[in-house]
Amino acid sequence: NAGVTQNPKFQVLKTGQSMTLQCAQDMNHNSMYWYRQDPGMGLRLIYYSASEGTTDKGEVPNGYNVSRLNKREFSLRLESAAPSQTSVYFCASSEEPDSYNEQFFGPGTRLTVL
Amino acid sequence: GNSVTQMEGPVTLSEEAFLTINCTYTATGYPSLFWYVQYPGEGLQLLLKATKADDKGSNKGFEATYRKETTSFHLEKGSVQVSDSAVYFCALIRGSTLGRLYFGRGTQLTVWP
Repeated sequence: NAGVTQNPKFQVLKTGQSMTLQCAQDMNHNSMYWYRQDPGMGLRLIYYSASEGTTDKGEVPNGYNVSRLNKREFSLRLESAAPSQTSVYFCASSEEPDSYNEQFFGPGTRLTVL
Repeated sequence: GNSVTQMEGPVTLSEEAFLTINCTYTATGYPSLFWYVQYPGEGLQLLLKATKADDKGSNKGFEATYRKETTSFHLEKGSVQVSDSAVYFCALIRGSTLGRLYFGRGTQLTVWP
């Protein structure tokens, strides 16, 4: 039982390049989330998927797209990377999108955009 | 809107000292409150939670009480250890926001032997 896994762990991009961050969970959770963590800012929600087949914008969605490929997988795509997207990205999942269920976090992807 | 304010760090303590990290929140209705911990190089882990007023969450010697009258959820531990060195995040969820966590900025704790 691996929990939430993310790939890659580290990535360096040049401005304008594209990439997809992968996330998968093996806990049969319905809801999945993408956050970014910047120094002194806490974590901010980029996109979330309350259930398979649905996605919605969070607090900072500009410059990102997501795909809920199936119940297990939720990917985050940067179409044209910018230095402002240098951050640590965390994927999370929860059984249901409500206030009672714990969110489980992956180990993170550290992205640098030059 | 919904927001969480944490005391700014870093916090540096000697082993066996008493720890308090202050957290206050703004939210309408009745949010659930959480403390998450992030060890170096890792993702976040749930430390404790409380889902209604006057609830006390506890885990690994840490405690926090949901105080609706002061809109607070302060984290305490009576005797910290070197292994408690980490970043601590206070967070809230409201039921109407589809599981979206609102995080504070985090407090870095360093415990010296």
